[in-house]
Amino acid sequence: GQNIDQPTEMTATEGAIVQINCTYQTSGFNGLFWYQQHAGEAPTFLSYNVLDGLEEKGRFSSFLSRSKGYSYLLLKELQMKDSASYLCAVRDPYNTDKLIFGTGTRLQVFP
Amino acid sequence: NAGVTQTPKFRILKIGQSMTLQCTQDMNHNYMYWYRQDPGMGLKLIYYSVGAGITDKGEVPNGYNVSRSTTEDFPLRLELAAPSQTSVYFCASELGAGRTDTQYFGPGTRLTVL
Repeated sequence: GQNIDQPTEMTATEGAIVQINCTYQTSGFNGLFWYQQHAGEAPTFLSYNVLDGLEEKGRFSSFLSRSKGYSYLLLKELQMKDSASYLCAVRDPYNTDKLIFGTGTRLQVFP
Repeated sequence: NAGVTQTPKFRILKIGQSMTLQCTQDMNHNYMYWYRQDPGMGLKLIYYSVGAGITDKGEVPNGYNVSRSTTEDFPLRLELAAPSQTSVYFCASELGAGRTDTQYFGPGTRLTVL
């Protein structure tokens, strides 16, 4: 089957670092995406990983381990505007390369 | 570029009514998708299209229909609305040139069926 697991909710303090984990079990793997979704808005693209290792983009980094079926999104120097849901999605070649989405992690940043 | 646009933004339907959710993209993308997102849940794929004239079912197609007569437009039709179709509907598009392509989402349509 296909399964993508993320924690439902996380909280953190402004200025801190938070790590959002994602584990996946899919028939195949052609890349993993992270999206940010503010309440009442559309998801927007954050990062893409297809090879093992860390991809860094400013305050956001994403890590992938294909052997472990595991990824994380690391947010540094948290700001209030980072309060949002973070969606993990896997592209599955055995599912005509469509994206399979996790249920998302709702992050609340407190002052 | 407007990107992906959706109309209407909000709609309330009575059980049994029908409606069409409109989606247009101006990025000349080949692939287009319709998702629904229920509260606290992830995105579930309803239908998708890899090009004009080609559509296929996703994970939750029952109660919906689509067409893709042009590259730009991908309307979603609800024929007999049911309360279970109360959800937020997102349309997305993707260039379709390779696996690194990301999907671009429209602002969503919030539908309530009473």
